Amino acid sequence: GAGVSQSPRYKVTKRGQDVALRCDPISGHVSLYWYRQALGQGPEFLTYFNYEAQQDKSGLPNDRFSAERPEGSISTLTIQRTEQRDSAMYRCASSLRPRGTNSPLHFGNGTRLTVT
Amino acid sequence: DAKTTQPNSMESNEEEPVHLPCNHSTISGTDYIHWYRQLPSQGPEYVIHGLTSNVNNRMASLAIAEDRKSSTLILHRATLRDAAVYYCILRGNTGTASKLTFGTGTRLQVTL
Repeated sequence: GAGVSQSPRYKVTKRGQDVALRCDPISGHVSLYWYRQALGQGPEFLTYFNYEAQQDKSGLPNDRFSAERPEGSISTLTIQRTEQRDSAMYRCASSLRPRGTNSPLHFGNGTRLTVT
Repeated sequence: DAKTTQPNSMESNEEEPVHLPCNHSTISGTDYIHWYRQLPSQGPEYVIHGLTSNVNNRMASLAIAEDRKSSTLILHRATLRDAAVYYCILRGNTGTASKLTFGTGTRLQVTL
């Protein structure tokens, strides 16, 4: 079956522009997570959803970052007024059940964002 | 979030067993111990998880200390394809504790 799909794979944008990153989780997966990963570092938690409800957004760096999952499936991470420090790999993951101790996360291949 | 401590890097010869240690002295009673790995240029991949008892699956084994303050991921026969960063993560069972918080992991090098 299809895994977690993210688009675009690569995004180059100019400083000050808004970007929207899309995540299509595995069908039927209830929980969806967003992570950011700088080169040579482990993934850094941003936010996560159970169904359409955003459960935890404590990892979003500032109010330029927002995420939504309006129908409990596809999610969009939006970064407004991008800055060079936003350049990173943005990864999405999904898991089957909301209380996930026995439900591993499945990660997508990520979107590489470069802000020039 | 409860923290884990892992060596920055380890080396192994191909076909040899590898024991990757993890310390988690502040683990709570409801925290599960999860291991993920990340191959070069790929997203993290689930390896194994456990609560109290040792666990085996097709990828690896997980040995958990009796006091649960440490654990060891065991790759029984390392191959070149096992070269990756291995993350040991504590995952809670409820609410926001169920998110995964990654540390810096252990970079495993496998040589011929």
